[in-house]
Amino acid sequence: NAGVMQNPRHLVRRRGQEARLRCSPMKGHSHVYWYRQLPEEGLKFMVYLQKENIIDESGMPKERFSAEFPKEGPSILRIQQVVRGDSAAYFCASSPQGRGNEQFFGPGTRLTVL
Amino acid sequence: GENVEQHPSTLSVQEGDSAVIKCTYSDSASNYFPWYKQELGKRPQLIIDIRSNVGEKKDQRIAVTLNKTAKHFSLHITETQPEDSAVYFCAAPLSGGGADGLTFGKGTHLIIQP
Repeated sequence: NAGVMQNPRHLVRRRGQEARLRCSPMKGHSHVYWYRQLPEEGLKFMVYLQKENIIDESGMPKERFSAEFPKEGPSILRIQQVVRGDSAAYFCASSPQGRGNEQFFGPGTRLTVL
Repeated sequence: GENVEQHPSTLSVQEGDSAVIKCTYSDSASNYFPWYKQELGKRPQLIIDIRSNVGEKKDQRIAVTLNKTAKHFSLHITETQPEDSAVYFCAAPLSGGGADGLTFGKGTHLIIQP
C-alpha cells in the first residue's frame, strides 16, 4: 500500500509566478490536509478537504492561495503570484476518517521563491 | 481554537538515559493527541498517539501519558539510542470539538549524546 505521495519534491519559482503542488492520499483515504512548515518551525494547518469539498480553510491565507480535491485525481494546492515569504515546505497528510484518526504525511514539497 | 505549548525546545541526554517531552493544551474538548518524529529533511512520522479515554499508552521504548484534568500530555522515551535524535512534535485537534486539522507544538530537538 503506497503511502501519501506528493510532487514535485522541490519547486523553484520566481516572484509573481504560480506554484502548483500535488498530493495523492493513501489508498482508501478520502480526507486530505495541507500544512506549511517554515525553517526551524512547527507545522501550521492550512486546509482540510474531502472529495470535492473544502471542510475547513481557516488556516489558508485569504489571497493567492487555493486548494481543491476533485472527484478524480490528486489534491492540488495552488499559490498564485508567489512572494519570497511563501518559501517553505508544504506537507499534505491523509486519514481514513476525519475525526481523531491518524494523519499520515507525505514527503513534502519544498518551495523556493527566488 | 486549540493552543498547544511544548517544552523544552531542545533536550540533550546521554545515550541510554530517558527523555521526557511535555505539552499542554487549552481546549478541554480535545480527545486525540498524537506525537510525530521528524528527521532532518524528512516527513513527520506518527510514532504514538493517545485518546482521551485512557491515561497511558506504551509501545516498546516509547510511552505517552495524558492528564485530562491538568490538560497536559507527555512523551517518554526510555533507553535512548542515537537513532532517536530528531525533532519531536506534539499535536491536538485544531478545534477540540469539531475541526479535524491538527495544531502542533513548536517542536523539541532531541539530541542523544554518545
